[in-house]
Amino acid sequence: GAVVSQHPSWVICKSGTSVKIECRSLDFQATTMFWYRQFPKQSLMLMATSNEGSKATYEQGVEKDKFLINHASLTLSTLTVTSAHPEDSSFYICSAARDSSYNSPLHFGNGTRLTVT
Amino acid sequence: AQSVTQPDIHITVSEGASLELRCNYSYGATPYLFWYVQSPGQGLQLLLKYFSGDTLVQGIKGFEAEFKRSQSSFNLRKPSVHWSDAAEYFCAVGAGNTDKLIFGTGTRLQVFP
Repeated sequence: GAVVSQHPSWVICKSGTSVKIECRSLDFQATTMFWYRQFPKQSLMLMATSNEGSKATYEQGVEKDKFLINHASLTLSTLTVTSAHPEDSSFYICSAARDSSYNSPLHFGNGTRLTVT
Repeated sequence: AQSVTQPDIHITVSEGASLELRCNYSYGATPYLFWYVQSPGQGLQLLLKYFSGDTLVQGIKGFEAEFKRSQSSFNLRKPSVHWSDAAEYFCAVGAGNTDKLIFGTGTRLQVFP
């Protein structure tokens, strides 16, 4: 089946530093990738939608300058948390789809646990 | 706006017992509905989905779900639960004409031997 690799699986960083999370589709080309944030014991909140070669579309309330998303190729999207603060600590999950139709299933990465100290 | 409600935050069942996880949605048109399972520290795995047609949908791992338009529900069922089914289960609805998903708050399933 289709595989999405997310790296790193966990990261600890100091407040004020930036962290990059990678999401790769290993065996298919992903036109669309999604980034979610999940707080403990809560649901996934969609942060942004990224399409290869174009700017990401952010959900309301998500700071574009803080959460930089790049989808430079059909197999890689990155999320950079800039100037991270403790409140950014969370579980970040990406998903990827071949295209934007509902018949194209979403494949999820295993998530990245970010802890900001 | 679309929304998904999972009324049960936590459910505990004995291994071998039947299971039903509830999901109610709010959406003006015919919804695209999904059930996902998440093991601790992992991403999500699709169990099943409903787009149209037969309202009883079969999924992986022995799960099924029934779409009931009159009740705006899409409950997940399994006749006999295995210990390996212990996980977090999320119901989701497709948001409009895009492929974005709106997730419910999840139901944590605990299975006792």
